[in-house]
Amino acid sequence: LAKTTQPISMDSYEGQEVNITCSHNNIATNDYITWYQQFPSQGPRFIIQGYKTKVTNEVASLFIPADRKSSTLSLPRVSLSDTAVYYCLVGDTDKLIFGTGTRLQVFP
Amino acid sequence: GAVVSQHPSRVICKSGTSVKIECRSLDFQATTMFWYRQFPKQSLMLMATSNEGSKATYEQGVEKDKFLINHASLTLSTLTVTSAHPEDSSFYICSARGAGFVHNEQFFGPGTRLTVL
Repeated sequence: LAKTTQPISMDSYEGQEVNITCSHNNIATNDYITWYQQFPSQGPRFIIQGYKTKVTNEVASLFIPADRKSSTLSLPRVSLSDTAVYYCLVGDTDKLIFGTGTRLQVFP
Repeated sequence: GAVVSQHPSRVICKSGTSVKIECRSLDFQATTMFWYRQFPKQSLMLMATSNEGSKATYEQGVEKDKFLINHASLTLSTLTVTSAHPEDSSFYICSARGAGFVHNEQFFGPGTRLTVL
């Protein structure tokens, strides 16, 4: 499974757009890029998934460049409730290997 | 989305006792269930993968005789921590996926916090 690198932490203010970038230089052809969100003392929640270009849903957007060696999760107009840890995962199997994640803190 | 429940949400036990944690998929049939543990301020660590009706596959370093996993039906998997010790205190989380799920999509339970005294 491709190893991922993402910032350990990020701070933002309510109403701002937050972009979290994940590097996955050795991504394989069959790998998908998936992001999960985890609040304290809860199980993670699937946010978004993509293979290439851009994917958007009601929660976030995922930008993937042509070489697929990185991806950016974009959260529009964050609120206090978006404070959580965000994990970027890369793979094509059922098994999920979580990296360290990015701890996002949103301030009022 | 699909719902996964865990029971109990919190358990405190004495050292040397065994603890069973249940994981249920409430509105779908889970062809595969996963067990993770998470220590404070750390990431989730996959412990094992279980498919209904077959033996679980454990990750390297996870003792299968200590962490017994049973996946007897398409909606229920159990994790039994045998002869628990304080170092087993952790947050245990299960997840499940079923037919038609997209790649890498799992639905997670709310977790079980185990404290061993």
